[in-house]
Parts: sequence; structure tokens; C-alpha cells
Amino acid sequence: GQQVMQIPQYQHVQEGEDFTTYCNSSTTLSNIQWYKQRPGGHPVFLIQLVKSGEVKKQKRLTFQFGEAKKNSSLHITATQTTDVGTYFCLVGGSNYKLTFGKGTLLTVNP
Amino acid sequence: GAGVSQSPSNKVTEKGKDVELRCDPISGHTALYWYRQSLGQGLEFLIYFQGNSAPDKSGLPSDRFSAERTGGSVSTLTIQRTQQEDSAVYLCASSLVGAVQETQYFGPGTRLLVL
Repeated sequence: GQQVMQIPQYQHVQEGEDFTTYCNSSTTLSNIQWYKQRPGGHPVFLIQLVKSGEVKKQKRLTFQFGEAKKNSSLHITATQTTDVGTYFCLVGGSNYKLTFGKGTLLTVNP
Repeated sequence: GAGVSQSPSNKVTEKGKDVELRCDPISGHTALYWYRQSLGQGLEFLIYFQGNSAPDKSGLPSDRFSAERTGGSVSTLTIQRTQQEDSAVYLCASSLVGAVQETQYFGPGTRLLVL
């Protein structure tokens, strides 16, 4: 099945610092989605990337899809305590098969 | 309408007992997914239903796990002879038709604890 590696597993930052999580696949992806899961909550959709080299922004969040459509990143500028949670990527392959990355747990020290 | 709902929200059971977990997807969504999330871990795919097609059971960890989706709507995940390693949060998600580029909408999950 589809393999995806997400790094880092954990990231602790001071409030105001930047944060980046990466998802990497050995195969070309049809698309990638990013989800956020607050502590004790359930995953909530953030964004989807479909096109090679695509970049999308949501306020302080910037999402990128690699030119080869094998990797993606989520970057948060000037983290806030509300950014705390686990960020997952969800990748699609050649059919409906979907695979979640293991997630990056972000903690923010106020 | 309302989002994905799951019941019960919490379930404590004794080792060896059977449990049933229920998922009500968003009305009109034909695709339904079950995932398992162990403490501090990622989401593990269990099973996928799409319309009237045979479900993809490739993620079920053992034959103690089974799932049904009656009438193309409500789904029940059954775990027989529960073991302590079955303790986890079981999440259900639905999407409109199950295409890879669709957003998945998650329910709040059922927290299962097997003593």
C-alpha cells in the first residue's frame, strides 16, 4: 500500500517561533490533504493540494506540494498557543486508497 | 445537516466481551471509513464502505473485527472477544462519494477501554 513518512514526530516551540512539518512519499501522489487534531478532539480538514508545485496560504499557515508530487509541507509562521495539536497529512494514490501520515504533535510554550 | 455522529462516546468493557460501535455519517455521504487511533499514535485505516460495493476490509487487524453498513447509511463496527490492545479511539469519517480528493468529515470518536 501507499507509504508516507511524516516528520518530525514531535515539535515543541516557543510562542512566536515558526513550525514546519513534512510529508514524504516514495511514489507520486494524486493529492494531499492536511488535517489538524486538537488534543482530545478529532481530525479536522485544513486544506487540499492537487497540482504540482502548488502553494496555498491560510493566514499564518502555508502549504506546499512538491514539483514531483511526492512531498508536501505545512509551515506555521509565528506560532500561537491555539496552534497546539497534531497535524496529519492524508495522501491519495492511484485509487481511493488513502493513507494518513503518523502526524506531528506541536506544542507551544506561551 | 448535522455532522458525523458516533456512539457511544466512551465504552469500558472487560476483556473477552464483545462491543459494538456505531457511526451515523453525514446524510447523503456514500463513503464511510473507520479508523483506529491508539494513544499518541496516528490514524490506522480499518475499513471502507462505498455505496453498495463490497467493503474494503484490508485494514481490519484480525478476524475479531467486523463491520456492517446497512441501508448505505449507519455503520456498526463490532469487536468480538475484546483484548486489552483493542483499547483506542475508534473514529468514523464520511465523504460524499469516496473520491481521493474529497474532504473527510470525522465524527468525535468512541473511546474504548478494555480492562
